[in-house]
Amino acid sequence: GENVEQHPSTLSVQEGDSAVIKCTYSDSASNYFPWYKQELGKRPQLIIDIRSNVGEKKDQRIAVTLNKTAKHFSLHITETQPEDSAVYFCAASGNNRLAFGKGNQVVVIP
Amino acid sequence: DGGITQSPKYLFRKEGQNVTLSCEQNLNHDAMYWYRQDPGQGLRLIYYSQIVNDFQKGDIAEGYSVSREKKESFPLTVTSAQKNPTAFYLCASQTQGLGNQPQHFGDGTRLSIL
Repeated sequence: GENVEQHPSTLSVQEGDSAVIKCTYSDSASNYFPWYKQELGKRPQLIIDIRSNVGEKKDQRIAVTLNKTAKHFSLHITETQPEDSAVYFCAASGNNRLAFGKGNQVVVIP
Repeated sequence: DGGITQSPKYLFRKEGQNVTLSCEQNLNHDAMYWYRQDPGQGLRLIYYSQIVNDFQKGDIAEGYSVSREKKESFPLTVTSAQKNPTAFYLCASQTQGLGNQPQHFGDGTRLSIL
């Protein structure tokens, strides 16, 4: 089945700087790649997603890029703010189900 | 995501006891999923259902059971065979059981052993 890996596991950034989280996947047939943000004790919330027919998607301070050849996709957060501190999960669709990475803890230092 | 309701928020299980976690959605979604979340482990799929009266095992189904008698409901039973049930359980739903649609999550149930 699909295997998704995330790097780094923890990321600390100064407020106002950019954060980048990278994920790799194994199944070349995967065609949908969502990113979720989870605050402590709360539900994961979809923040952005991308399908395999596009290479980049932006939504205000958040962007996702996809490299199908290399089988990796990345989340970019610009002008980070304290409220961006959370765990971020990437996922990839395979066999009609999502496979999730283990998550990245992002800490924004004021 | 207010259309997915999980209950209870906290649940305690005694030794040898079965407990049932509730998941209800009013989004008219066909597909529903149960995940287990442990610290540092991400989300692991327990069971999923793409249509009423049908469900499939996920990656860690042992010690769990589900039913899908109604479109809006997908309860999860944690049986006594699950020796390490302490975790955060998340239910999700999706428009259709296809891989290229977002999943929407409930608020979760935190299960602990007494």
